[in-house]
Amino acid sequence: AQTVTQSQPEMSVQEAETVTLSCTYDTSESDYYLFWYKQPPSRQMILVIRQEAYKQQNATENRFSVNFQKAAKSFSLKISDSQLGDAAMYFCAYRSASNAGGTSYGKLTFGQGTILTVHP
Amino acid sequence: DADVTQTPRNRITKTGKRIMLECSQTKGHDRMYWYRQDPGLGLRLIYYSFDVKDINKGEISDGYSVSRQAQAKFSLSLESAIPNQTALYFCATSDGDREVKETQYFGPGTRLLVL
Repeated sequence: AQTVTQSQPEMSVQEAETVTLSCTYDTSESDYYLFWYKQPPSRQMILVIRQEAYKQQNATENRFSVNFQKAAKSFSLKISDSQLGDAAMYFCAYRSASNAGGTSYGKLTFGQGTILTVHP
Repeated sequence: DADVTQTPRNRITKTGKRIMLECSQTKGHDRMYWYRQDPGLGLRLIYYSFDVKDINKGEISDGYSVSRQAQAKFSLSLESAIPNQTALYFCATSDGDREVKETQYFGPGTRLLVL
């Protein structure tokens, strides 16, 4: 079974600065997807960024980018020019791309979450 | 106008009571999911459904049941609620026809307290 680990329960950053959130995962599969979701105080789960494992190029979405290290099974999220609205819980998630059946297909496996505080 | 809605948003109930959480979506997606969120544990899958006739258990299905009444509706039931089912519950949907780009879209969540 796949596992996702976020070793930083809490992080903080000054407004306008850069912060990196860590995520590692364990899998025996070669084809999968990785996601970062943001959960602000409103509780809504919002997709931040997505990475396909077969792509070597790191995904970017405006101020958000990832450092995907497939061999190391690492998937960190970098937030540049941090804004007050970035304050939230961030979850890393894994999804198998295999259609081999079983209970893992289609489901997301989440990490424990990292609370990000942004100081003005 | 939210694409994925959940009712109720908050609920307090007593041990032993039956409770149903409802999820509706207007995205036209075939796949629907129920997760629960607990502090320090992230989100864990309870049940998922790939179409109206296809329902599967997730990793923590004990104590829960589901019903897929239509493509757009997926309900989660707690037949006899217990305090350790106190959690934040999320419904999610995804479009199975776009495997490469599949993304799950979440509802706003239901906070359940079992006394």
